[in-house]
Amino acid sequence: DAGITQSPRHKVTETGTPVTLRCHQTENHRYMYWYRQDPGHGLRLIHYSYGVKDTDKGEVSDGYSVSRSKTEDFLLTLESATSSQTSVYFCAISGGGNTEAFFGQGTRLTVV
Amino acid sequence: DQQVKQNSPSLSVQEGRISILNCDYTNSMFDYFLWYKKYPAEGPTFLISISSIKDKNEDGRFTVFLNKSAKHLSLHIVPSQPGDSAVYFCAANPSGTYKYIFGTGTRLKVLA
Repeated sequence: DAGITQSPRHKVTETGTPVTLRCHQTENHRYMYWYRQDPGHGLRLIHYSYGVKDTDKGEVSDGYSVSRSKTEDFLLTLESATSSQTSVYFCAISGGGNTEAFFGQGTRLTVV
Repeated sequence: DQQVKQNSPSLSVQEGRISILNCDYTNSMFDYFLWYKKYPAEGPTFLISISSIKDKNEDGRFTVFLNKSAKHLSLHIVPSQPGDSAVYFCAANPSGTYKYIFGTGTRLKVLA
């Protein structure tokens, strides 16, 4: 299994509070991604990173920010959580080129 | 606008028979395609991929077919086994980027 760890695995938070999810990799892969999975929508890209301090927006980036200060860590922050951000969040990593991405186990976030 | 579409939300197949999962895409700039399998409470796992320069790729019981003129991708599983019961996502990689765009998924149930 690719070395990807997401933390926390489960979180319940209140509307309006900031939340940070962490993704840690031990594969030294250049590319890292945050996706959310929702019924009827599949996996949607939130943000991705193509190197330390290099990030870009995905399809559903509103309300989210990311940071990558080290190759191994990619943080996703919900600046002010809303109920619409209740979802399962997956981190993924990739070595680039025509290769596959490897996914973490996911974080289930509930905003009440 | 959904660039990668899986129009069948679910599929049931008898054990031992062929499962065919379909995927359509709209962006002619996609040059790499992937299939992932997802069990409940786990992250997606990579199954098989195909480059746009090929029309078929086979790996054991799994074969992916690509029809570029129709912008259509399919995954064949032969023979289907109960352990194949999962949600299957197709994904595509736009040329010149390192993003993975996912479809909405098809839930496959293999009946014993």
